[in-house]
Amino acid sequence: AQSVAQPEDQVNVAEGNPLTVKCTYSVSGNPYLFWYVQYPNRGLQFLLKYITGDNLVKGSYGFEAEFNKSQTSFHLKKPSALVSDSALYFCAVRDQDSWGKFQFGAGTQVVVTP
Amino acid sequence: GAVVSQHPSWVICKSGTSVKIECRSLDFQATTMFWYRQFPKQSLMLMATSNEGSKATYEQGVEKDKFLINHASLTLSTLTVTSAHPEDSSFYICSARGISTDTQYFGPGTRLTVL
Repeated sequence: AQSVAQPEDQVNVAEGNPLTVKCTYSVSGNPYLFWYVQYPNRGLQFLLKYITGDNLVKGSYGFEAEFNKSQTSFHLKKPSALVSDSALYFCAVRDQDSWGKFQFGAGTQVVVTP
Repeated sequence: GAVVSQHPSWVICKSGTSVKIECRSLDFQATTMFWYRQFPKQSLMLMATSNEGSKATYEQGVEKDKFLINHASLTLSTLTVTSAHPEDSSFYICSARGISTDTQYFGPGTRLTVL
């Protein structure tokens, strides 16, 4: 079965500093990995995905993620965090079946302080 | 592109009544739609998967007679919470996936409060 883990419940970072949100995965076969962000009382916004190709994936709002097959990780990064990046971040892996169901991580709350 | 809407954004109802939530893909055809439930500060719990024109597939532990899902067209799916009770109060989110994409696009969610 596919699964993802987000080991940190919360990440605190000062504005302007680099931001990293960790995600590790467990899959059988090739992983299809996604990052989403959720602001309070809103749905999830798609940030980026890895299906195949370059290990460094660039996404929306200056975010990027690095796929590391040997470490089974897909960490989300941003070189310089903004206060407006404060939100709940979810890593997800797509099931291999035809339905395309996602398995979500528990989520990581990012708090960016001025 | 890839916009998904939900209506209503919030609803308050009395215990025992039924509530319908609509999920629409506005600018693409959604072959598959998903319904999730989310509790405060928690991850999303998949309730069911629906394909256009087919019966929904429910996750284990989700009562199909209580949470009725209809996916009548490639742009609309509905979730009806029948005989709602206070424990059904939650944030319900839908997502949609197009024909040739792996990405799910999410609606803004519906806050249901059952009194």
